[in-house]
Amino acid sequence: DTEVTQTPKHLVMGMTNKKSLKCEQHMGHRAMYWYKQKAKKPPELMFVYSYEKLSINESVPSRFSPECPNSSLLNLHLHALQPEDSALYLCASSPPGQNQPQHFGDGTRLSIL
Amino acid sequence: DQQVKQNSPSLSVQEGRISILNCDYTNSMFDYFLWYKKYPAEGPTFLISISSIKDKNEDGRFTVFLNKSAKHLSLHIVPSQPGDSAVYFCAASVAFSGSARQLTFGSGTQLTVLP
Repeated sequence: DTEVTQTPKHLVMGMTNKKSLKCEQHMGHRAMYWYKQKAKKPPELMFVYSYEKLSINESVPSRFSPECPNSSLLNLHLHALQPEDSALYLCASSPPGQNQPQHFGDGTRLSIL
Repeated sequence: DQQVKQNSPSLSVQEGRISILNCDYTNSMFDYFLWYKKYPAEGPTFLISISSIKDKNEDGRFTVFLNKSAKHLSLHIVPSQPGDSAVYFCAASVAFSGSARQLTFGSGTQLTVLP
């Protein structure tokens, strides 16, 4: 299994809703990442988990709440989002060891009404 | 403050010819560099990488060159094929914690290979 799987592929939610994005990998990777990508822009790092511990939080608003329940699963809990949060949310993972590439899922396209 | 720059938003080449995509960076702490390809409605796909201790890495039709003194890297695709048409992102990274790395992406170059 060489995939990073993200669900759902598309999500439309209102500003008062609570939803979660899910990311799974079964490659034995011990680092997992959340990125946000706006149209015509590069991905921007949001959170990094290393060995299930939050390592980086790139000044992301608290309406985004990450969770790493185990080494294969990464969640992003969403609450009270704003229209400007509409974007493609990408999950990635990387194996242990030096100089290892990150492998990305296909993302969740999020639209905030 | 853009630490990784791809100054060409687009590039068109003829099928069979060489495609050269360029990338510049400013942060001397970057020690591992990657190229990703992205099709619409898909996530970035890893193509090839290079460590800062090397100046060249080859994988089939793809070669990445690194010039540390100039803080410049390039991706060569030879021969170019229509299926190579995609957005190419350059990325630079520093090690952070455990096995994690912090990736910084360039703004991307849209490559179009004409039949």
